[in-house]
Amino acid sequence: KNEVEQSPQNLTAQEGEFITINCSYSVGISALHWLQQHPGGGIVSLFMLSSGKKKHGRLIATINIQEKHSSLHITASHPRDSAVYICAVNADKIIFGKGTRLHILP
Amino acid sequence: GAVVSQHPSWVICKSGTSVKIECRSLDFQATTMFWYRQFPKQSLMLMATSNEGSKATYEQGVEKDKFLINHASLTLSTLTVTSAHPEDSSFYICSADGAVGTEAFFGQGTRLTVV
Repeated sequence: KNEVEQSPQNLTAQEGEFITINCSYSVGISALHWLQQHPGGGIVSLFMLSSGKKKHGRLIATINIQEKHSSLHITASHPRDSAVYICAVNADKIIFGKGTRLHILP
Repeated sequence: GAVVSQHPSWVICKSGTSVKIECRSLDFQATTMFWYRQFPKQSLMLMATSNEGSKATYEQGVEKDKFLINHASLTLSTLTVTSAHPEDSSFYICSADGAVGTEAFFGQGTRLTVV
């Protein structure tokens, strides 16, 4: 079993929909990251969380340390949000989830 | 916030040649940097941990003589893929630890294609 599990693996939604991507982990962590990877591979760091909730524009990230779970939400989704979203945790090393491929249809 | 710059963002090279990828921390000193590799449709996987002024620590299965890592200063680590082979075609990304230790800052990644 992977130490970092993301769901769903793939998600297709209509423009404007509220999107939720989940990340569960089984190891002790000091922080959790949400990354965005666009076609072609470029990585953008969206959030780093150690507790609570962070918001940046239409993106919201939450983490529940007790439940070892984090969610990334996108409000009013747009086709330009189409990308792979990766959850990564700081354990004794950084461990990445396999990513969630998001496709927003116009 | 802290920035890690990775260069080049993409590179195409011929089999047998060597390719160097640079990872720079632009506004902070990073004693530890990490190199990762991602094959298509797979997770990013740690290749090695680069410590300034000392030898890198490689993960199991990563050939240290093929993937040369140099961390000669607190702001620069380089990964050289030597005698590149098509199987080395992959996405490579670096990260650097911030001062607090819980922080991690990621480069933009380098897509290497070996033809």
